[in-house]
Amino acid sequence: AQSVTQPDIHITVSEGASLELRCNYSYGATPYLFWYVQSPGQGLQLLLKYFSGDTLVQGIKGFEAEFKRSQSSFNLRKPSVHWSDAAEYFCAVGDRGSTLGRLYFGRGTQLTVWP
Amino acid sequence: GAGVSQSPSNKVTEKGKDVELRCDPISGHTALYWYRQSLGQGLEFLIYFQGNSAPDKSGLPSDRFSAERTGGSVSTLTIQRTQQEDSAVYLCASSLVARGGETQYFGPGTRLLVL
Repeated sequence: AQSVTQPDIHITVSEGASLELRCNYSYGATPYLFWYVQSPGQGLQLLLKYFSGDTLVQGIKGFEAEFKRSQSSFNLRKPSVHWSDAAEYFCAVGDRGSTLGRLYFGRGTQLTVWP
Repeated sequence: GAGVSQSPSNKVTEKGKDVELRCDPISGHTALYWYRQSLGQGLEFLIYFQGNSAPDKSGLPSDRFSAERTGGSVSTLTIQRTQQEDSAVYLCASSLVARGGETQYFGPGTRLLVL
């Protein structure tokens, strides 16, 4: 069965510092990969997704993620964090070739940004 | 355009009572998903609908949970005889079709508290 691991429950960074959020998945092949962000009281917003091709994916709000097949990882990065980036971040995988469309989510990483 | 909407935003109920949660998907989206987000947990898939096909109920935690989707649009998630462990945020998402890589758009959620 598919599973998604986000090893860091909570990360704290200073504003302007770089950020990397880790995500590892367990899947028989290369799945579709997603990063979502959830601000307090809000639904989830898609940051970026990987389907195929270039393993470095650019998303909204200056985020990027790199798919590494050998490590089964899809880590999210941002070179300079802004205070408004404080939120919870979720990595998710979707079945390639599936007609079901359900997503499997990690438990999330809470990001705190210090001024 | 309008996103996914959910009502109520918050619901407080007494143990043993029934509750109904509503989701209005994005117009034209044929696939609709319900997820549950419990404290300290990731997002747990509950059920999904694709067009007029029979729903995939594989994620429903017990027979107290049911959902319907009328006219291929609005969906209602019903929890009968609520228990305290049902307290969570219930998120609805919709996508153009149910397919592994399709982007899901999430509503703001309904926060349910069972006393």
